[in-house]
Amino acid sequence: SYELTQPPSVSVSPGQTARITCSGDALPKKYAYWYQQKSGQAPVLVIYEDSKRPSGIPERFSGSSSGTMATLTISGAQVEDEADYYCYSTDSSGNHRGVFGGGTKLTVL
Amino acid sequence: EVQLVESGGGLVQPGGSLRLSCVASGFTVSSNYMSWVRQAPGKGLEWVSVIYSGGSTYYADSVTGRFTISRDNSKNTLYLQMNSLRAEDTAVYYCARDLVTMVRGLPAHYYMDVCGKGTTVTVSS
Repeated sequence: SYELTQPPSVSVSPGQTARITCSGDALPKKYAYWYQQKSGQAPVLVIYEDSKRPSGIPERFSGSSSGTMATLTISGAQVEDEADYYCYSTDSSGNHRGVFGGGTKLTVL
Repeated sequence: EVQLVESGGGLVQPGGSLRLSCVASGFTVSSNYMSWVRQAPGKGLEWVSVIYSGGSTYYADSVTGRFTISRDNSKNTLYLQMNSLRAEDTAVYYCARDLVTMVRGLPAHYYMDVCGKGTTVTVSS
C-alpha cells in the first residue's frame, strides 16, 4: 500500500523557519495536502494542492513539492504553531483511498 | 456556516457493533464527497472510508468487510456502521466534508476541508 513518510519531530526557536518534509513515490504525479492538529483538537487544512493556502491561514504557512518530496514551510514560526502536522494524498494505485503521513510534531521553543 | 457534529461513540465489547452519525449543516451531504478518519490514542490520523457524491464507497483494508459508510439525504447525515469491532478500532472518529481537486477535467484527489470535533469509540471487555 502507498506510504507517505514524515520525520517524527522538528524543533525550532520562535521566529525561525520550520520545514517539515513528506516523501512518497507518487508525489511527482500527485498533489500533497497538509493538516495542522493542535492537542485535543480536530485537524485543520493549512495547505492544499501542494502550495495553496486556504482563507484564514496565515501567510507564514507555505508549501512546495519537488520530485518525491513535499515540504511545508512555516516562516517565522510562532509558539502557537506548535502542533502535529500531517501530509495527505490519495493512493496512486487507483483504489480511491486516502493516505496520511505518520505526522510530525513541531516544537517551537 | 459549515458544521459537522458526530455522535454515536461509546464503549463496546470486542465483536460488537456501533453506528456513528454525522449531522451536517451549511451544505448538502449528498452533493459532496464525505469521509471518515480516525485517530487511535497517541497515534496519527488514519483514513477510514469515503463516499462519493455519486454514491461509490471505498474503505481502508483494516475495515473492509466490517464497516459500511452511508448517508441519509433527507436528514443530511453521514453514517458509519461498524461491525465485528476489535480493540484496534479504539479511536476518535472524525467525519469530514471533502473537496475535490480536478486535473484535466477529471477528479484526481479528494481531501478534507472541514472536520467535526469527533466521537470516541472504545472497544474493550
